[in-house]
Parts: sequence; C-alpha cells; structure tokens
Amino acid sequence: NAGVMQNPRHLVRRRGQEARLRCSPMKGHSHVYWYRQLPEEGLKFMVYLQKENIIDESGMPKERFSAEFPKEGPSILRIQQVVRGDSAAYFCASSQRQFSTDTQYFGPGTRLTVL
Amino acid sequence: QKEVEQNSGPLSVPEGAIASLNCTYSDRGSQSFFWYRQYSGKSPELIMFIYSNGDKEDGRFTAQLNKASQYVSLLIRDSQPSDSATYLCAVPYTGGFKTIFGAGTRLFVKA
Repeated sequence: NAGVMQNPRHLVRRRGQEARLRCSPMKGHSHVYWYRQLPEEGLKFMVYLQKENIIDESGMPKERFSAEFPKEGPSILRIQQVVRGDSAAYFCASSQRQFSTDTQYFGPGTRLTVL
Repeated sequence: QKEVEQNSGPLSVPEGAIASLNCTYSDRGSQSFFWYRQYSGKSPELIMFIYSNGDKEDGRFTAQLNKASQYVSLLIRDSQPSDSATYLCAVPYTGGFKTIFGAGTRLFVKA
C-alpha cells in the first residue's frame, strides 16, 4: 500500500505526558502537512514540512508542540505535557510538489485522547 | 484572516436528488479549490479540484467556480445514501503554504 501511513491510530495519554505521532508520506512525496481536527469541526492547518525543513509552522502552538521531518524516517509531530484540550484527531497529508494545485493525500489519522 | 465558509448543515436530500454544497472564500488571490469528502471517523478523501472559472464535471460530481463572487460549489447528481458524509471545501492560502479548510457541510441522503 503506497498511501500515507500514520501511527499509532489511537493514542491515549494522561495529562502531562508526551505524545509522538508519526507520518510516512506516500512514496515519491516529499511534502508533509499536519492538521488537527476537533470533534465536529473542520481541519486546522498546523505545520508544513519538507525533508529536514520546517517551511510553515504558523498554525502550530508556540509551546509544547514541535514537528520534524528528518532525512530518513517518518515525520513526527510531538506534543509535550499534553492537556485535555489536545484531544483531537491529527491528520497528516502529503503531496508530490509544493504547488497550490497539487493534491494533498491524507493518512488515516491518529486519534489522541488525553485523560 | 483568510477564511473559508460553508453552511454546516445538515443538508438532507432524498435519494436520486441533486445535492448542492456551497463555499465562499475571502482570499481574492486564491487560484485553486478542492472538495474533500469525509466519512465519520475517517480521513478526508479528494473528490475534485477546480482552478478555472466555470464548471468541471467528473461522473456524478460537478464543481462550479466563480472567482468574481469568490464562490465555489459542488453538485452531486443522483445522490445516493453512500454520499452521506461531510464535505470539506479547501483553499490553498496564497500568502503562504497552508491550505484553509471550511468547517464542512454534513450531507444526509435519505433512501
């Protein structure tokens, strides 16, 4: 399956713990986007990365959240000291090129629950 | 603040009818527009994209774009119960690299 892969699919954390979400883009794609979706709400852009570079992180909270896309391996979204308000579905998408007309393909998402 | 607005619905149509989903956007410079379908608990999947004024047809789906009015719509002909989902309008932001999504319109197709 050459689609976007995300793991874990479900993640439960207690307040104050760290959450690590992983995303492997489609084969041949080097552009990765992370979105957050709260229940009954639309997708909110968080960050856009290319290999080894953060291009646009304007949608990501300044504290506790970080993202990376190393030369080797998946992109990782890291949430430190999670709070209940971080409970959401986190989707990763990838595209082949960085043009506005290029389609973003979504992974299945990681559903984070903070107890 | 760049925005994409959609009626949240729910929009309910009988099976076989035409469902019309609307979206307005604030960024006059936007050049491309995407419609995604999202089933409950699933990830968004692309239905169509459009970047020229006018209509674009793909099977039972037609996207319509009017840049002067900053309006894009999606028509679903011969609606089926399997079309019941949330439809998201997405507009890449011209001032950067992010894509702005509308909150989505929930569609129910009654058998």
